[in-house]
Amino acid sequence: AQKVTQAQTEISVVEKEDVTLDCVYETRDTTYYLFWYKQPPSGELVFLIRRNSFDEQNEISGRYSWNFQKSTSSFNFTITASQVVDSAVYFCALSEAQGGSEKLVFGKGTKLTVNP
Amino acid sequence: GAGVSQSPSNKVTEKGKDVELRCDPISGHTALYWYRQSLGQGLEFLIYFQGNSAPDKSGLPSDRFSAERTGGSVSTLTIQRTQQEDSAVYLCASSLSRGAGLNEQFFGPGTRLTVL
Repeated sequence: AQKVTQAQTEISVVEKEDVTLDCVYETRDTTYYLFWYKQPPSGELVFLIRRNSFDEQNEISGRYSWNFQKSTSSFNFTITASQVVDSAVYFCALSEAQGGSEKLVFGKGTKLTVNP
Repeated sequence: GAGVSQSPSNKVTEKGKDVELRCDPISGHTALYWYRQSLGQGLEFLIYFQGNSAPDKSGLPSDRFSAERTGGSVSTLTIQRTQQEDSAVYLCASSLSRGAGLNEQFFGPGTRLTVL
């Protein structure tokens, strides 16, 4: 069965601090896809990144970076030099290639508050 | 172009009434998903459409819940005889569906349903 665990329910940091959001997943498939979504206070989920199970190369996009490690079934998300606008709930999600539905299984989310 | 739209944005209903929630996906997106977001359960998958057919209905919580999609576009989620536990934000997402996991799902703003 698919499962995504985001152990950190809430994190509070001061602006300019670096912060890492943890994500651990479970799946029996050898082919799967991992996602991060951001849900700002306005409520709409915003896509941040997709990673497939065959590509463990880490990715950096501006202040955002992602560390994918199959050995530990983790897909962690780091924000460097955090800003107040980064305050949001961040969701990690998993989609399996088998079954065909492409549905997303989400973690419970981590609420990040960046204080000025 | 326009994103995913949902209506109404808010719906308050009395226990036992039926409700219909509407989703307009991004034009050209063949895949459409319904999710539910509640405080206790997080983000849960409900149903997946590919075109007008629903190959995965595994997330519908009871037979009070149904959904249809017409013309490969608009979808309606119907909840019959609403219960208080149905109170949640109902989110719709669409994607191009080029292949399992290859596509990000774009989410609408959601419909907040309150059952009194």
